[in-house]
Amino acid sequence: KNEVEQSPQNLTAQEGEFITINCSYSVGISALHWLQQHPGGGIVSLFMLSSGKKKHGRLIATINIQEKHSSLHITASHPRDSAVYICAVRSGTGNQFYFGTGTSLTVIP
Amino acid sequence: DADVTQTPRNRITKTGKRIMLECSQTKGHDRMYWYRQDPGLGLRLIYYSFDVKDINKGEISDGYSVSRQAQAKFSLSLESAIPNQTALYFCATSDSAGLSAFFGQGTRLTVV
Repeated sequence: KNEVEQSPQNLTAQEGEFITINCSYSVGISALHWLQQHPGGGIVSLFMLSSGKKKHGRLIATINIQEKHSSLHITASHPRDSAVYICAVRSGTGNQFYFGTGTSLTVIP
Repeated sequence: DADVTQTPRNRITKTGKRIMLECSQTKGHDRMYWYRQDPGLGLRLIYYSFDVKDINKGEISDGYSVSRQAQAKFSLSLESAIPNQTALYFCATSDSAGLSAFFGQGTRLTVV
């Protein structure tokens, strides 16, 4: 059983569409991260959330601690948003990160 | 310079060979991690270190060893590489509170 589940696994969108990626987790956490992995392989951190909502450009991340759920939204999607998006949670003890298997997003021009 | 630098970026090696993957960071973080990524699986933890004198096994440590030579350096060794260790390997750092996490660019290792 995975501690972190993401949906969908794969997503294809037309340029300009609004996109939502979901993440549910089953462990107590101290923080949740949304990561982006481009085809070249490198991983960058987009957001760290412990409560509420954060916005950066066209990206919005929300978390509901009671429901153990987070969403990543991309407004006005663009082909350069094509990447794998990974949800990662830091355990409540602070000792480990747990990772979802990722959502592969392709945005078509 | 990148916050977390991994070398080499790509490596092909033969079964039975010893190989070392190196990681260095400029974030000043105490916590460093090694993960492997396989298709269809999330990143899985191999080893982690919370300071220079601290080494801990992750969920898939068999066949691997690590060395924390300094706060900034954390290397991963495969003592005798086998084909199922073919994967993408990531080094990562985090601050003690886990509020920030930085990843290297990854090392693509192929064992033939």
